[in-house]
Amino acid sequence: EVQLLESGGGLVQPGGSLRLSCAASGFTFSSYAMIWVRQPPGKGLEWVSGITTGGGTTYYADSVKGRLTISRDNSKNTLYLQMNSLRAEDTAVYYCAKPRTTGSSAWRYYGMDVWGQGTTVTVSS
Amino acid sequence: QSALTQPASVSGSPGQSITISCTGTSSDVGGYNYVSWYQQHPGKAPKLMIYEVSNRPSGVSNRFSGSKTGNTASLTISGLQAEDEADYHCTSYTTSNTLVFGGGTKLTVL
Repeated sequence: EVQLLESGGGLVQPGGSLRLSCAASGFTFSSYAMIWVRQPPGKGLEWVSGITTGGGTTYYADSVKGRLTISRDNSKNTLYLQMNSLRAEDTAVYYCAKPRTTGSSAWRYYGMDVWGQGTTVTVSS
Repeated sequence: QSALTQPASVSGSPGQSITISCTGTSSDVGGYNYVSWYQQHPGKAPKLMIYEVSNRPSGVSNRFSGSKTGNTASLTISGLQAEDEADYHCTSYTTSNTLVFGGGTKLTVL
């Protein structure tokens, strides 16, 4: 079964750091670009970041650029999101997602057919 | 990058058809045929319903269809069923090499 499982969420103070993980199984992880999407409480979805299959190229929403860093370890079938200088507006459920097709550019075009269950990040003092 | 514009809510009775709009600009919806739609039930992860404007993934009911005219994409659900009650989100690729989502639309089946 194709599956994504996020972990690492929690309560953190403003200015603090957190690292999210997304463990992939049931598919050839290294063949797929991956993305992170977040959803603030009671609000819509927001694309956060994307990464190519090998991890060599990354993309970010303006709202997180310079503070959040996406990476992957294909030997461990795991996607990461390092979150620094956290703000109250970063409070959200964070999802990792896999595109329908393989290839480094697929995340941009073809829709995400597998999502994790989400992990909650709360930034508050 | 501004969010795509969706109506906050739509409603319909069982058996009826409804359409949800998703309006962007020529830098996103209007510039590419890379619009996707997701269904999300409360407390659950999004589910892909439409990709590349009008294509359905395997397993998605043919009651769901997508289209696009200019800068506006649309999701139509025909033969409404109680299980269709959910939030629906559109997204598009953009000229900035990013994805942009709409604000989401809550569908109520009366």
